[in-house]
Amino acid sequence: AQSVTQLDSQVPVFEEAPVELRCNYSSSVSVYLFWYVQYPNQGLQLLLKYLSGSTLVESINGFEAEFNKSQTSFHLRKPSVHISDTAEYFCAVSDPPNFGNEKLTFGTGTRLTIIP
Amino acid sequence: DVKVTQSSRYLVKRTGEKVFLECVQDMDHENMFWYRQDPGLGLRLIYFSYDVKMKEKGDIPEGYSVSREKKERFSLILESASTNQTSMYLCASRDRVTDTQYFGPGTRLTVL
Repeated sequence: AQSVTQLDSQVPVFEEAPVELRCNYSSSVSVYLFWYVQYPNQGLQLLLKYLSGSTLVESINGFEAEFNKSQTSFHLRKPSVHISDTAEYFCAVSDPPNFGNEKLTFGTGTRLTIIP
Repeated sequence: DVKVTQSSRYLVKRTGEKVFLECVQDMDHENMFWYRQDPGLGLRLIYFSYDVKMKEKGDIPEGYSVSREKKERFSLILESASTNQTSMYLCASRDRVTDTQYFGPGTRLTVL
């Protein structure tokens, strides 16, 4: 079975400072990897994903994540955070390909708090 | 824009009641999912559905059942609600082409 580990349950960061949210997964086969974000009182929405190709993927709001197969990691980074980045971030790994019916396994989440 | 709606944002029920949580999506997605979200535990999959009338158990199906009679609607049923089912319930539908799940706003259920 797949598993996802997010070691940091809470990360406080000063505004305009850099941040890294860590994610490690366990899988012996090729995987698809995702970061979802949940803003206060909202459902989750996709932030970025790695399916294939370049190991560095970027979101439209300045986040990036790098797929590292040897370390089975998919850490999320941003060079300068903003108050509006306050949210909970979930890393997820997809099942191996299964005729388009794959499901996700989520990590336990990291709550990012931006300090003004 | 993909829209996933859930019938209630907040719900309070009594122990032993039968509870229905409804989810509707407007993008003709085959795959739909029900999760529960608890602090420190992240999202855990209860049930999912590949298509109409098809369902599979997720990681924590005990105490729940589901119904998918129409493609756009996926219902979660608590046959006899218990206090340990107090949680946030999230529904999602999945675009198989982009491999992206779209989530509803969630239903916060309290069982007294």
